[in-house]
Amino acid sequence: NAGVTQTPKFRVLKTGQSMTLLCAQDMNHEYMYWYRQDPGMGLRLIHYSVGEGTTAKGEVPDGYNVSRLKKQNFLLGLESAAPSQTSVYFCASIEDRVYNEQFFGPGTRLTVL
Amino acid sequence: AQTVTQSQPEMSVQEAETVTLSCTYDTSESDYYLFWYKQPPSRQMILVIRQEAYKQQNATENRFSVNFQKAAKSFSLKISDSQLGDAAMYFCAYRSAYFGNEKLTFGTGTRLTIIP
Repeated sequence: NAGVTQTPKFRVLKTGQSMTLLCAQDMNHEYMYWYRQDPGMGLRLIHYSVGEGTTAKGEVPDGYNVSRLKKQNFLLGLESAAPSQTSVYFCASIEDRVYNEQFFGPGTRLTVL
Repeated sequence: AQTVTQSQPEMSVQEAETVTLSCTYDTSESDYYLFWYKQPPSRQMILVIRQEAYKQQNATENRFSVNFQKAAKSFSLKISDSQLGDAAMYFCAYRSAYFGNEKLTFGTGTRLTIIP
């Protein structure tokens, strides 16, 4: 099993550009999450999904959109990138509500100039 | 909304000694889970230990143990016999056990340095 993978690992964008971050898991997990990590602020939840075809807002959803068309994939989109979105982005998944250890991806470092 | 507070931005400990990292949380819920995650320089988030709120017994995993005080809403992590590989950021996290509230709330982290 590859676990949770994220694509790309690094990216530099100019203000106003768009991009999509891909998270994939091969563990058949129901729940998937997107976090951002900024210095001194820990991890903050952007959006999450409790199953295929569902999404919900987290703590800091503004400026981001997500989709979960397939159970194994969770996409995070930035329609018009801003310097405030410079961060490290983590994807995570859990099997279900009972077996709730979150498995994290390796992270994507995004810089918006 | 739940909040998690880690009041120690940085801690250091001599190799082979014991160190305790603090975490407090605020919630009105009675059923939840608490976690400690380790993040080494590689950035990978690694689960260290987990505690179910309904269990009175403190969780232990080898050299890692917790002191869970439900009434005080405190969840500290004790690392015994500290090793150089323990150097990392440590995050405390809270997760509700109630349907419809399946998200993790993290503290701001404690950077642990091991002194050889």
